[in-house]
Amino acid sequence: GAVVSQHPSRVICKSGTSVKIECRSLDFQATTMFWYRQFPKQSLMLMATSNEGSKATYEQGVEKDKFLINHASLTLSTLTVTSAHPEDSSFYICSARTDGSNTGELFFGEGSRLTVL
Amino acid sequence: AQSVTQPDIHITVSEGASLELRCNYSYGATPYLFWYVQSPGQGLQLLLKYFSGDTLVQGIKGFEAEFKRSQSSFNLRKPSVHWSDAAEYFCAVGGMEYGNKLVFGAGTILRVKS
Repeated sequence: GAVVSQHPSRVICKSGTSVKIECRSLDFQATTMFWYRQFPKQSLMLMATSNEGSKATYEQGVEKDKFLINHASLTLSTLTVTSAHPEDSSFYICSARTDGSNTGELFFGEGSRLTVL
Repeated sequence: AQSVTQPDIHITVSEGASLELRCNYSYGATPYLFWYVQSPGQGLQLLLKYFSGDTLVQGIKGFEAEFKRSQSSFNLRKPSVHWSDAAEYFCAVGGMEYGNKLVFGAGTILRVKS
């Protein structure tokens, strides 16, 4: 199947700093990528839909100024957690489809665990 | 809005025993239904999906699921569980009305005892 890769897999940062997480589709082009957040022992919550060449679409309750999403190319989307605080500590997962349909399989990255001290 | 309920947070089964993980959904139209598996610290892997047609869907690793519209359910089954099946399982629902979005259930952690 298609491969989606995230980097870094783990990051620890100090409170107040910004952290960037990359999501790459390695063997296909993704016009749309999705960013999810997963709290311990909870499900995945969709944060935003990242659209290549345009602004991301954020879910209700997600602060777009805090979670900056950039989809600069068809194979790369980045999530920047700005001025991170301990409550932002979480497991962030991106996903992408190989086609633009609603029924294509979603391929998930390995996830990035953010710990804010 | 669509929603997914996985009633069981944890399930423990013996190796070789059969397994059924429950999933109930709420969705106004014809749903797209998915089951994913997540190993600790890993991303998600698709086990199977249902869009239309035969309501019994076969997936990878010997898993199957049955869509029952009357019960709004999409339960995941496996006849004989292997120790390597221990993981967390997520049911998800999407559909044409909601574009590309998937809504996930809270997950069920499967433990396999030898």
